[in-house]
Amino acid sequence: QQPVQSPQAVILREGEDAVINCSSSKALYSVHWYRQKHGEAPVFLMILLKGGEQKGHEKISASFNEKKQQSSLYLTASQLSYSGTYFCGTEEGYSNYQLIWGAGTKLIIKP
Amino acid sequence: DVKVTQSSRYLVKRTGEKVFLECVQDMDHENMFWYRQDPGLGLRLIYFSYDVKMKEKGDIPEGYSVSREKKERFSLILESASTNQTSMYLCASIDSPSQPQHFGDGTRLSIL
Repeated sequence: QQPVQSPQAVILREGEDAVINCSSSKALYSVHWYRQKHGEAPVFLMILLKGGEQKGHEKISASFNEKKQQSSLYLTASQLSYSGTYFCGTEEGYSNYQLIWGAGTKLIIKP
Repeated sequence: DVKVTQSSRYLVKRTGEKVFLECVQDMDHENMFWYRQDPGLGLRLIYFSYDVKMKEKGDIPEGYSVSREKKERFSLILESASTNQTSMYLCASIDSPSQPQHFGDGTRLSIL
């Protein structure tokens, strides 16, 4: 079953913060986050593994609550380059290889 | 860096034609995927392959078939194209579980 992403879309001004959520009804082994700009391929951001710590990369970080089967992506002090559609992909077992993808959250950053 | 190359960025075909979409990766990955991407639906898995000549159906395999004769190449085939197969098609490869998927640039296919 497809994980639910929220919000579906968000509009920010440069410098503002955003949180994107990904929620599943199934127990998860990992959550993957990707960003896709219009007309381009999705680009990997980070993976959060069951039992792992919160991950971060510069001003983009994420958390994974295994008990609630939820992950959140945090974008702080957003930059114009953060615009795009963010997808979470959930992995239900280690050897599964397959990801179940959310519908995406469209992020628009205005100057 | 992993390179996943899809043969065409844009393709226009007619209803009933047999359509081939090609994908090549250069990192010796065993696992390759074909997705379809439509607005509001995210990425939906059509087929994946975990080895040469091995394939598994994904969530929406109807109307599609695949071929994996060599490790680096994974082809998606629309046996008889229909207008509801107009979409963006993305190929990806992965080395092992819980690793990043590497995507090609996508093929925007229009069936007229």
